[in-house]
Amino acid sequence: QSALTQPASVSGSPGQSITISCTGTSSDVGSYNLVSWYQQHPGKAPKLMIYEFSKRPSGVSNRFSGSKSGNTASLTISGLQAEDEADYYCCSYAGSTTLVFGGGTKLTVL
Amino acid sequence: EVQLVESGGGLVQPGRSLRLSCAASGFTFDDYAMHWVRQAPGKGLEWVSGISWNSGNIGYADSVQGRFTISRDNAKNSLYLQMNSLRAEDTALYYCGKDMAYDSTGNIDYWGQGTLVTVSS
Repeated sequence: QSALTQPASVSGSPGQSITISCTGTSSDVGSYNLVSWYQQHPGKAPKLMIYEFSKRPSGVSNRFSGSKSGNTASLTISGLQAEDEADYYCCSYAGSTTLVFGGGTKLTVL
Repeated sequence: EVQLVESGGGLVQPGRSLRLSCAASGFTFDDYAMHWVRQAPGKGLEWVSGISWNSGNIGYADSVQGRFTISRDNAKNSLYLQMNSLRAEDTALYYCGKDMAYDSTGNIDYWGQGTLVTVSS
């Protein structure tokens, strides 16, 4: 159960697009379409932004999109807004009723 | 409205035990898998344990396997985490989370506000 690999930080200017990668292995991301992404603002509980690598829950802006290729999943945020500044975590099902999270990525909106 | 309210956290000495509870409301509790996820101060999210709708499938992180036990009481709409042999590295905010399916998928669509566990002498 090794943590998924995410960049520690990314940044972008308002209106731009950014992509956060999440690299796992053939035992987790590569084997299942069960990759989810969470947004967490300081002092708040995480919020589900993407599930099953590309689906958006009701109420989540369509500026958020997800994809997956092989052992790597990605979260793209288009039209960056100040309110998008937060920590983002990926999560993958890893078999046998286990999950694994990424280390988290701090998004800074310049 | 879905609500998840954790309780049972506190200060505990290393080696001792603690039992966390999560009271669920606003949805049909026994239709969904549930999870415990923790976050050490200033650190990232770490999945701790998950349980299917009928307790038939249970999983643990390697870091807590053999020390922690997850359970649920569908009649009481409650989730539990029995934590034994606590260590300093178990210090964290513990979140309860609802899965979107009856078995664990990792799609956690609702989260509680967390209960803080501090392990220190």
